[in-house]
Amino acid sequence: DSGVTQTPKHLITATGQRVTLRCSPRSGDLSVYWYQQSLDQGLQFLIQYYNGEERAKGNILERFSAQQFPDLHSELNLSSLELGDSALYFCASSPENTMTAGANVLTFGAGSRLTVL
Amino acid sequence: GQNIDQPTEMTATEGAIVQINCTYQTSGFNGLFWYQQHAGEAPTFLSYNVLDGLEEKGRFSSFLSRSKGYSYLLLKELQMKDSASYLCAVRRILTGGGNKLTFGTGTQLKVEL
Repeated sequence: DSGVTQTPKHLITATGQRVTLRCSPRSGDLSVYWYQQSLDQGLQFLIQYYNGEERAKGNILERFSAQQFPDLHSELNLSSLELGDSALYFCASSPENTMTAGANVLTFGAGSRLTVL
Repeated sequence: GQNIDQPTEMTATEGAIVQINCTYQTSGFNGLFWYQQHAGEAPTFLSYNVLDGLEEKGRFSSFLSRSKGYSYLLLKELQMKDSASYLCAVRRILTGGGNKLTFGTGTQLKVEL
């Protein structure tokens, strides 16, 4: 157990629907990151939050949004789902938003597997 | 932008040594990471380099040359359980303080008897 908790583990839904994926970071970690992994794309960075604020944005579609709450858990909302959104969605957390020395290693959760039919 | 290249697949024999290479191009470099990922599971951290040179950690070592944009992961005394995908990832510090860890597509290592 990495200490990063993601729910649900599996989700099957239909095109056009909306889903919410949830992530609880490791105790003490302030940063949360979301990644999408599909078979042909590898791990794609979506977005990073630090202590409730958005800090970095990657290739996140406009149909997707995220937030980090005061208790530091995060949610990723995916709307108007398309077949191509089927993927593993990973959340990771790290201790800080690094500008300082140190590895600031990302620890990944087990992922949420989304299947869009 | 960033560009990270690593071989798609490698095969090695149990007990042997294998070297997985990674080349990258990026601005604002702030560290290179190696992760291991078994199929359908979460990536797990293996090593981190931010300065040139070799970092050794048990059976795993990682090397970095920043001037060449090059890293390798060395796995010694290979075991069957080492069969997995090995992901090279480069960290950039962004304006505003965010940090972005970009992953390569991974090298699928198969360890054979």
